[in-house]
Amino acid sequence: SYKVTQPPSVSVSPGQTARITCSGDALPKQFAYWYQQKPGQAPVLVIYEDSERPSGVPERFSGSSSGTTVTLTISGIQAEDEADYYCQSTDSSGTYPVFGGGTKLTVL
Amino acid sequence: QLQLQESGSGLVKPSQTLSLTCAVSGDSISSGGHPWTWIRQPPGKGLEWIGFIYQSGNTYYSPSLQSRVHISMDRSRNQFSLKLTSVTAADTAVYYCARVRVPPGSVVSYYFDSWGRGTLVTVSS
Repeated sequence: SYKVTQPPSVSVSPGQTARITCSGDALPKQFAYWYQQKPGQAPVLVIYEDSERPSGVPERFSGSSSGTTVTLTISGIQAEDEADYYCQSTDSSGTYPVFGGGTKLTVL
Repeated sequence: QLQLQESGSGLVKPSQTLSLTCAVSGDSISSGGHPWTWIRQPPGKGLEWIGFIYQSGNTYYSPSLQSRVHISMDRSRNQFSLKLTSVTAADTAVYYCARVRVPPGSVVSYYFDSWGRGTLVTVSS
């Protein structure tokens, strides 16, 4: 079955830039989506269609795509950005969605 | 404003059937044009997609769960439901319902723009 792969953890100091990657063979032709999940809460969409930001999501969140890798970039990291981040895409035939294993972002 | 609320039994015995309902307000599950979905998250682990139901009633399930899953909708109550049969401890998870968006384009893609708060289901005797 199709999989997308993320690093399990990323650490960054306040004010710095965090980059979380997600890799998958179908990503050159399938959109990627990113969700933020804080402890005890439901996931929240922060990036859709690789690089679009839903209304209400801070401008410091951005997304990009290059080949089989997509990247969530969070600039000017704040303590409130500490959370788990999940990449999500769709298999190449458009049959079913898949989630990455999640990346725990720690703000040092 | 769209709201989704999961409800159902929080404790299920092994081999029995898990049953959950998602009540939707702020959108119509039968005419809003969006599919609806169930997603789960075992404690301390990642997210797993379970299945979709379209406004037509058509369903699509995860290959790993399709032999045990059934999703249905009650148009009159604007809610949809999940049944998972023959549960084991591995089915212990927080279960979320969500609205699905399908971007226009030649390649089919899915994402989830609104989620319920989730409900914990524990499988234990």
